[in-house]
Amino acid sequence: QAGLTQPPSVSKGLRQTATLTCTGNSNNVGNEGAAWLQQHQGHPPKLLSYRNNNRPSGISERFSASRSGNTASLTITGLQPEDETDYYCSAWDSSLSAWVFGGGTKLTVL
Amino acid sequence: QVQLMQSGTEVKKPGASVKISCKASGYMFTSYQMHWVRQAPGQGLEWVGVIIPSGGKTYYAQNFQGRVTMTRDTSTNTIYMELSSLKSEDTAVYYCAKETGAFEYWGQGTLVTVSS
Repeated sequence: QAGLTQPPSVSKGLRQTATLTCTGNSNNVGNEGAAWLQQHQGHPPKLLSYRNNNRPSGISERFSASRSGNTASLTITGLQPEDETDYYCSAWDSSLSAWVFGGGTKLTVL
Repeated sequence: QVQLMQSGTEVKKPGASVKISCKASGYMFTSYQMHWVRQAPGQGLEWVGVIIPSGGKTYYAQNFQGRVTMTRDTSTNTIYMELSSLKSEDTAVYYCAKETGAFEYWGQGTLVTVSS
């Protein structure tokens, strides 16, 4: 089934700001927005935000999400070495009646 | 605190079935939808389906319909996922996840290996 589109990789410098994107359509991202997950190797994913910019308790304010049309974005400010890992977006697709994921973006902190 | 404890590693032959479990604690089990998501080695995340613990209603991803069955036991706060007619492509880590707006809490994952 159709998924969301994420760039495979993004590289930014230490203490810089990275913006990751996630493109879908009007049935998913453009409808209820996207959720963002962070996953370190060998660990389950961790929810960073949902429905565009609701952060679960304990998630740093350095992570903020937004949406413009059918594209969602995750902005990470003040990049730290521990931010270097994989990030996934996800959204409910009302036409598929299914949750769909992006292929993931590997963030490298230089 | 919310905890999702999954069953251990499984090794199965092609064509067999596997049933894995996820025991929830730390919250009202019947109040939140529970999902299964899988991740093949080195790959991304794939939604398998969801179960609503209060009534047991299920919704499955199209790719798994006919092969997956999700159930729950409200007496033990446990959900189960059974996947049949296993193929090598089903080799993956299977996660359960509690939904609060999205996939807020995750189990530790269960590795299912399908190999002859």
